[in-house]
Amino acid sequence: KNEVEQSPQNLTAQEGEFITINCSYSVGISALHWLQQHPGGGIVSLFMLSSGKKKHGRLIATINIQEKHSSLHITASHPRDSAVYICAVPSGYGNKLVFGAGTILRVKS
Amino acid sequence: GAGVSQSPSNKVTEKGKDVELRCDPISGHTALYWYRQRLGQGLEFLIYFQGNSAPDKSGLPSDRFSAERTGESVSTLTIQRTQQEDSAVYLCASSLTQNSNYGYTFGSGTRLTVV
Repeated sequence: KNEVEQSPQNLTAQEGEFITINCSYSVGISALHWLQQHPGGGIVSLFMLSSGKKKHGRLIATINIQEKHSSLHITASHPRDSAVYICAVPSGYGNKLVFGAGTILRVKS
Repeated sequence: GAGVSQSPSNKVTEKGKDVELRCDPISGHTALYWYRQRLGQGLEFLIYFQGNSAPDKSGLPSDRFSAERTGESVSTLTIQRTQQEDSAVYLCASSLTQNSNYGYTFGSGTRLTVV
């Protein structure tokens, strides 16, 4: 079993829809990261959270440490939100990141 | 610099040649990580540097791969005798320290294609 599991693998939404991407992890962590990867390959860090909820614009991330589960929500989705969203947790010596497989999101206009 | 800088952004090389990829982390970031993403696959850890400590090389896939970092500055990832399976996006990230409560900043990656 992978340390980090994401769902769904693929998601197609209509512009304006509310989107949820889920992440479950099996190790104890101090913080969880949500990353966004655009087609060119570059990665942007969206959130780092260790408890509760964080909001940035139309993006909201929540985490439940007891249940080892986090969600990324996008409100009023837009085609420019189309990207791969990746959940990652630090693990082991040096807190190197272990990544989920990613969720490919496509928002249609 | 303001962000993590990687060069080149794209590299096409012939099978069997050596390549060198460069990462310039954010000034003052002591922790530096190299990751790889092959086509259609997730990101995988390659190597980690923390200050002047011995690097964690546990993710390097073969002895053709090596990396260096001088102090807390630039790092280079070298792949010798490249193979087609080395084709991937190579991403570098830096963090203030190895404490995971600090965020990571990623570079834009180097897309390596071995033909």
